[in-house]
Amino acid sequence: DGGITQSPKYLFRKEGQNVTLSCEQNLNHDAMYWYRQDPGQGLRLIYYSQIVNDFQKGDIAEGYSVSREKKESFPLTVTSAQKNPTAFYLCASSATLTGIQPQHFGDGTRLSIL
Amino acid sequence: KQEVTQIPAALSVPEGENLVLNCSFTDSAIYNLQWFRQDPGKGLTSLLLIQSSQREQTSGRLNASLDKSSGRSTLYIAASQPGDSATYLCAVSKGAQKLVFGQGTRLTINP
Repeated sequence: DGGITQSPKYLFRKEGQNVTLSCEQNLNHDAMYWYRQDPGQGLRLIYYSQIVNDFQKGDIAEGYSVSREKKESFPLTVTSAQKNPTAFYLCASSATLTGIQPQHFGDGTRLSIL
Repeated sequence: KQEVTQIPAALSVPEGENLVLNCSFTDSAIYNLQWFRQDPGKGLTSLLLIQSSQREQTSGRLNASLDKSSGRSTLYIAASQPGDSATYLCAVSKGAQKLVFGQGTRLTINP
C-alpha cells in the first residue's frame, strides 16, 4: 500500500540533545512537508520541499533543520536550539507543489522532553 | 496574513442528525480549501478538496461548499454516525501548497 511512514511514534529528548524524526513516502510525490501541532491548535508549517536537494522555511523553522537527499525521504531534526519542542509532528506529501492535489499525512511522531 | 477560524470548537449531537461545520478565512485570494479529519493521536485524512474555481464538492455523506467572496466554507455531514466522531480541520492554500489551518472542530456523535 502506498503511504507515508513516520518513525518513531514516540520520542523523548534530553536537554541539549538533537533528535531526528523520520518520514518516508512511497507515493512518488515530489513535494513533502513538516508540520507541528500543539494541543488545541491547528497545524503550523515548519519546512517544505518541492524537489530533491531543495527545501524552504515555513512559518516556524527556527530550531529545526531538514534535508532532502532522496525523493522518498524528508527527515526533520529538532535541535537543542528549539526550546519548546514538545508537540505532535506530522509529515505530509503531495504530488506537486501546485495546490491541485491534496496533501497526504503520516500518523505523526509525539516528541516529549525528559 | 491569512487567518483561518473554525466555529464551534466542539460540537456534540445525537446519532442520525445532519450537521454543519463552519470555516472562515480572512484573505479570499486562495488557491484551494481542504477539509481533513483527525482521529485522536493520528495523522490527518483528506476528506474533500475544493479548487478556488469550484463552489462545492461531495463525497458520500459529506458535502463541502466554498464561498470565496465571503471567506467561508461549510462541511455538511448527513445522517451522522458514531464513527464520524473526530476532529475536523479546514485549511486554505495560497500557492505553493502552503496550507494555513484552522484550530479544528471536535465532533462527538452520541449513539
